[in-house]
Amino acid sequence: DSGVTQTPKHLITATGQRVTLRCSPRSGDLSVYWYQQSLDQGLQFLIQYYNGEERAKGNILERFSAQQFPDLHSELNLSSLELGDSALYFCASSPPLQFGGYTFGSGTRLTVV
Amino acid sequence: AQKITQTQPGMFVQEKEAVTLDCTYDTSDPSYGLFWYKQPSSGEMIFLIYQGSYDQQNATEGRYSLNFQKARKSANLVISASQLGDSAMYFCAMREGGQAGTALIFGKGTTLSVSS
Repeated sequence: DSGVTQTPKHLITATGQRVTLRCSPRSGDLSVYWYQQSLDQGLQFLIQYYNGEERAKGNILERFSAQQFPDLHSELNLSSLELGDSALYFCASSPPLQFGGYTFGSGTRLTVV
Repeated sequence: AQKITQTQPGMFVQEKEAVTLDCTYDTSDPSYGLFWYKQPSSGEMIFLIYQGSYDQQNATEGRYSLNFQKARKSANLVISASQLGDSAMYFCAMREGGQAGTALIFGKGTTLSVSS
């Protein structure tokens, strides 16, 4: 167990639907990052939250949104799903130190049918 | 422009041999960090090794070492004495800047296949 918990592990849904992915960071970590990994691709950075505030945005579609709650867990909302949104979605967290490591969760595999 | 470039889509090596996975990076920030992660077929991301831009010595972690050539902007991963369990996808990643909590930027990865 890496300390970063992602739920659910697998999700199958239909096009047009909306899903929510959840991430609980490692204890003490204030930053949460969301990444998307499509088939045979590297990890694409979507968005980062730090202590409840949006810190940085990457290649996140307008159909996607995220938030970080007071208890520091984060949710990634994906709406109007398309077949191309099928991917492995990772959450990672890092501590509030300059050279702190990044810990990844085990990912949520989303399949849109 | 690509921030992290991994030019080897696939590499093949025999057990007990050493293998080098290439990674070049592009940044104008003097403070940055370089990371290597392993992703086996099960999908999880496993941290392997870290090199800071100001580190004088190359990082080593067991059978993993990072050949850091700052002037060439390269950060190649060397795996010594390959094992069958090393078969996986390997990603090079970079954190730019000195601020706490900056997102990692990943390369496209290299698939390593180790045969007996």
